[in-house]
Amino acid sequence: AQSVTQPDIHITVSEGASLELRCNYSYGATPYLFWYVQSPGQGLQLLLKYFSGDTLVQGIKGFEAEFKRSQSSFNLRKPSVHWSDAAEYFCAVGAISGNEKLTFGTGTRLTIIP
Amino acid sequence: DSGVTQTPKHLITATGQRVTLRCSPRSGDLSVYWYQQSLDQGLQFLIQYYNGEERAKGNILERFSAQQFPDLHSELNLSSLELGDSALYFCASSAPTSATSTDTQYFGPGTRLTVL
Repeated sequence: AQSVTQPDIHITVSEGASLELRCNYSYGATPYLFWYVQSPGQGLQLLLKYFSGDTLVQGIKGFEAEFKRSQSSFNLRKPSVHWSDAAEYFCAVGAISGNEKLTFGTGTRLTIIP
Repeated sequence: DSGVTQTPKHLITATGQRVTLRCSPRSGDLSVYWYQQSLDQGLQFLIQYYNGEERAKGNILERFSAQQFPDLHSELNLSSLELGDSALYFCASSAPTSATSTDTQYFGPGTRLTVL
């Protein structure tokens, strides 16, 4: 069964500092990987996704993520955070071949301090 | 705006009652997914429909059911409600090129259900 681990429940970063959110997955084949962001009271917005090809993927809002098969990781990064980046971030893994559900991690809450 | 709409935005009801949540997918999307987000369980997949047929089932209780109509909108029915059913219910849609491929899921804003 597929699973996702986000080891950091809460991260606090100063505005303008760099950010890395960790995500580790467990899946028996090549996974489809996603990062979603949820602002308070809002739905889930897709930041970026990895299906195949280049292991460094670019997303919206200046985010990027790198797929590392050897480490079963898909960490999200941003070189300089903005106060508007404060939100909850979810990593998810998707299956293929007829069962397309997403399995989500528990989320990482990001707080930005001035 | 993802293009996925959900109604109502908020729903407050009592234990034992039945409610219906509605979802309209993005134009052209054939697949609809339902997820439940609660404090203790996190985000969990409930059920998927593809072009009107049930495609995959997750941790959906027997008291819950869903369907997808010919116009591709979907409804999630929750009955005999319990306090623990209070949660945010998300609908997502995607446009797989076939029933066995994966595509990006776009999420609606959710329906917040409060059971008193």
